[in-house]
Amino acid sequence: GAVVSQHPSRVICKSGTSVKIECRSLDFQATTMFWYRQFPKQSLMLMATSNEGSKATYEQGVEKDKFLINHASLTLSTLTVTSAHPEDSSFYICSADGTSLAKNIQYFGAGTRLSVL
Amino acid sequence: AQKVTQAQTEISVVEKEDVTLDCVYETRDTTYYLFWYKQPPSGELVFLIRRNSFDEQNEISGRYSWNFQKSTSSFNFTITASQVVDSAVYFCALSEAYTGNQFYFGTGTSLTVIP
Repeated sequence: GAVVSQHPSRVICKSGTSVKIECRSLDFQATTMFWYRQFPKQSLMLMATSNEGSKATYEQGVEKDKFLINHASLTLSTLTVTSAHPEDSSFYICSADGTSLAKNIQYFGAGTRLSVL
Repeated sequence: AQKVTQAQTEISVVEKEDVTLDCVYETRDTTYYLFWYKQPPSGELVFLIRRNSFDEQNEISGRYSWNFQKSTSSFNFTITASQVVDSAVYFCALSEAYTGNQFYFGTGTSLTVIP
């Protein structure tokens, strides 16, 4: 089946530092990837849609300068949390559009738990 | 307005019981897809099923079955003879043709299967 690798799975950092999270589709190409944020016991909140070779589309209320997204290839998208603060602590999940395999299915990474001290 | 509603926040059942997770959706699009994902404690979302709006056939996969009814805009998920490994949060999601691949997730139902 389709595999999406997300790295790192967990990161602890000091306030003010930047953290990069990678999302890779291992066995298929994804022109579109998505970044979600999930607070404890809550649903997934779409942060942005990442399109290969173009600028990401951010959802309302998501700071694009805070959450930098780069989708440089058909298999890799990165999310950089710049100048992280404790309120950025959350579970971040990426997904890759699996249309190349089957229409409209998103395959998810295992998530990254970010803790900002 | 919430496009996907999962009214059951938490459910507990005893092992071997059957359990149904409800999902009600809202859309004006005639072409759409419905999904169920499982999120175990490890956090990753596991794809379970996709249904398109033109296929109302119910589906069974092992102990899992899904009931899609357009008349009531529902896409319910039943686990038969539940097992402890079924304990997880289950999300229902909707994808509409006119919004491309954007997913709208419900708030999830946390299922606990008690041994």
